[in-house]
Amino acid sequence: AQTVTQSQPEMSVQEAETVTLSCTYDTSESDYYLFWYKQPPSRQMILVIRQEAYKQQNATENRFSVNFQKAAKSFSLKISDSQLGDAAMYFCARQGGSEKLVFGKGTKLTVNP
Amino acid sequence: GAVVSQHPSWVICKSGTSVKIECRSLDFQATTMFWYRQFPKQSLMLMATSNEGSKATYEQGVEKDKFLINHASLTLSTLTVTSAHPEDSSFYICSANSGGAYEQYFGPGTRLTVT
Repeated sequence: AQTVTQSQPEMSVQEAETVTLSCTYDTSESDYYLFWYKQPPSRQMILVIRQEAYKQQNATENRFSVNFQKAAKSFSLKISDSQLGDAAMYFCARQGGSEKLVFGKGTKLTVNP
Repeated sequence: GAVVSQHPSWVICKSGTSVKIECRSLDFQATTMFWYRQFPKQSLMLMATSNEGSKATYEQGVEKDKFLINHASLTLSTLTVTSAHPEDSSFYICSANSGGAYEQYFGPGTRLTVT
């Protein structure tokens, strides 16, 4: 099975500090996309950041950036200057040619004031 | 842009009855829609993929006769849970993408409680 693994069920960070969420995946495809989604208590899935596998440059969206290591099949999310509103479940996901999204089990992020 | 709605947001039904959940793309044509199920404190599990005008493709282990999916138009897909049982209680989420685009847009979800 082509899986997505998030090894940190829970993480916490102090407000204004930086936190990194880990994700590894398994795939036999050469062309695919990787995503980080945020799910707050409202349960609405919100796209945080995406990375095309063919691009070597790591994606960045304001305070959110990724460390994409294709050979290692690793895709971590770094949140800088953490804010209280960043508290949520974060899901890593992979999408291949079938367009199906495969999600990791999620990491619950707590931001402490 | 790229808004997906779901209706209802919360439904309670009695065991043995059927319930229909609608998923609509409001400002784009969704060639493909996906239905997920999420149990409390768990991840999203893909149930099925539906393409407009064709039969849905169900994931392994998902009962197609129990979870009926109809993608009747480019903006509407429905999930009908037939003969619902308490174990069907869950959060159901749909997503949609337009042709050629890789990004999926998620609906707000529907909480189903079967009593």
